[in-house]
Amino acid sequence: AQSVTQLGSHVSVSEGALVLLRCNYSSSVPPYLFWYVQYPNQGLQLLLKYTTGATLVKGINGFEAEFKKSETSFHLTKPSAHMSDAAEYFCAVSGPGGYNKLIFGAGTRLAVHP
Amino acid sequence: DTAVSQTPKYLVTQMGNDKSIKCEQNLGHDTMYWYKQDSKKFLKIMFSYNNKELIINETVPNRFSPKSPDKAHLNLHINSLELGDSAVYFCASSQGTPFNSPLHFGNGTRLTVT
Repeated sequence: AQSVTQLGSHVSVSEGALVLLRCNYSSSVPPYLFWYVQYPNQGLQLLLKYTTGATLVKGINGFEAEFKKSETSFHLTKPSAHMSDAAEYFCAVSGPGGYNKLIFGAGTRLAVHP
Repeated sequence: DTAVSQTPKYLVTQMGNDKSIKCEQNLGHDTMYWYKQDSKKFLKIMFSYNNKELIINETVPNRFSPKSPDKAHLNLHINSLELGDSAVYFCASSQGTPFNSPLHFGNGTRLTVT
């Protein structure tokens, strides 16, 4: 079975500061990992995903995440926060082999202040 | 040109009523989903259909019945509404599995049961 834990339901950073959102997963099979972002009153949008290959994955809006199998982690980072990055971020895991179900974490709300 | 559209956006109703939420996607995707997001932002899959066939049916009360008249539509009918059904319901679609194609979410339907 797969599960996702996001450490910190709220993260607050200053504009221009490093963004680090933490995600740890549990999976009995090699995981496929995702980060989605949800802006207020909208649905989720895919930021990036890891399936196989390179463990450092780059996504949209300057975000990237690194898959670390030894730590069962897939933390999301961005070197310099913008005000427009304020949103809810969701980590998700799914298994391979045509498995359609994404298991989402509880989300982390990112606040960016001037 | 909304890719995944849900109606209505807001739905306020009383306990015991029956209501429906409609979802349509114009992306040509073959897989559609219903997710429920509770007041703590926790997102959980309810159903998934692939080419009008049910492929995921999570532990959801029988009062919830999805219907897919064609692969571009996935409606959700809820009988005998209860207070605990209050949540935001998201429809989503993808081409095949989430590994091959990101989920495209609608903007959600906020259901309030009084």
